[in-house]
Amino acid sequence: DIQMTQSPSSLSASVGDRVTITCRASQGISYYLAWYQQKPGKVPKLLIYAASTLQSGVPSRFSGSASGTDFTLTISSLQPEDVATYYCQKYDSAPLTFGGGTKVEIK
Amino acid sequence: QVQLVESGGGVVQPGRSLRLSCAASGFTFSSSGMHWVRQAPGKGLEWVALISSDGSNKGYADSVKGRFTISRDNSKNTLYLQMNSLRTEDTAVYYCAKGSGYSYVSSLDHWGQGTLVTVSS
Repeated sequence: DIQMTQSPSSLSASVGDRVTITCRASQGISYYLAWYQQKPGKVPKLLIYAASTLQSGVPSRFSGSASGTDFTLTISSLQPEDVATYYCQKYDSAPLTFGGGTKVEIK
Repeated sequence: QVQLVESGGGVVQPGRSLRLSCAASGFTFSSSGMHWVRQAPGKGLEWVALISSDGSNKGYADSVKGRFTISRDNSKNTLYLQMNSLRTEDTAVYYCAKGSGYSYVSSLDHWGQGTLVTVSS
């Protein structure tokens, strides 16, 4: 099965900082990669699908990109409401594996 | 609006069975692939199972294959997860989620609030 490795596992940044989270697939998954945000005590929310397509209603400070088997979620200007754990997920075929998550905090 | 409401969670002894349900509304249930995802206390998300819109295609995580069965009743707009031979490591919040695309493998665009399953003696 394809493994999804997310890094870092946690980060602390200041409001307004640019934040980058990486997800690496152990094999090619084309663009079948989604990013989710889970705020503390809340249900996960879809942010990005097809590696770079923003889900409706998601702020434009979130963006996604892909290069081979490496995928990146970028928050261009971190806001207090972005405190959450972020997960990548592959969906090219079953199993639809999630990455281990990245916890984002405000410094 | 899309609503997914899980039920059926609770405390169960190891080795016993439990069936979860997910009542769907606000979208054409019979046209959507559906998924179960779980989250153990304080841990990350783990995809569990998927089923295509007509129920003809199913997929499972290795950790539950042979023990869990996903099914659906499109006449009742309801998704199910039959969990047999439960283990303590199955303890988690179980989320029902709607697939976003036409394919049964897709991102998950709506999630229920989850139901807690605790496996303990």
